Amino acid sequence: AQSVTQLDSQVPVFEEAPVELRCNYSSSVSVYLFWYVQYPNQGLQLLLKYLSGSTLVKGINGFEAEFNKSQTSFHLRKPSVHISDTAEYFCAVSDWGGSEKLVFGKGTKLTVNP
Amino acid sequence: GAGVSQSPSNKVTEKGKDVELRCDPISGHTALYWYRQSLGQGLEFLIYFQGNSAPDKSGLPSDRFSAERTGGSVSTLTIQRTQQEDSAVYLCASSVGGGPYEQYFGPGTRLTVT
Repeated sequence: AQSVTQLDSQVPVFEEAPVELRCNYSSSVSVYLFWYVQYPNQGLQLLLKYLSGSTLVKGINGFEAEFNKSQTSFHLRKPSVHISDTAEYFCAVSDWGGSEKLVFGKGTKLTVNP
Repeated sequence: GAGVSQSPSNKVTEKGKDVELRCDPISGHTALYWYRQSLGQGLEFLIYFQGNSAPDKSGLPSDRFSAERTGGSVSTLTIQRTQQEDSAVYLCASSVGGGPYEQYFGPGTRLTVT
């Protein structure tokens, strides 16, 4: 079964600093990876996804992620964060070929401080 | 266009009562998913529908949980004889189906069992 590990449960940073949120997945022949964001008291919103092709994926709000097959990682990065980026971030892998369900990591709470 | 909607947004029920949670997916989306989000367990998959059939029910935690989908559209998740450990946010998502495509999430139903 697929699994996802988000190595940091909480990441505090100052405004305008760079940030990296780490995600590792269990190896599989076909991998489809996603990052979702959940703002306080809201539902989940897709930030970006990797299905195939270029290993550097750009998403909304200035976020990007790099798929690294050898390290089974899909880390999320942003060069300069804003207060409004404070939210919980979830990495997920699709169990496609099975039921298409998403298997989520435990989440990383990003807090951007002034 | 309209996104995924869920009702009610909040539900407080007494232990032992039955509850029904409703999900209205995006029009035309053939795939529908139910997930549960709780503090201790993170985001857990419950059940996946393709059309009206449920090829993957592996995430339903007990036989007190059931779900159906009618007309390839609206889905209802039913929890019988609720227990305190059922308290969580129940999220519904839909996608175009047939592959590892983006899942669009509803705002969730917060269930509290007293």
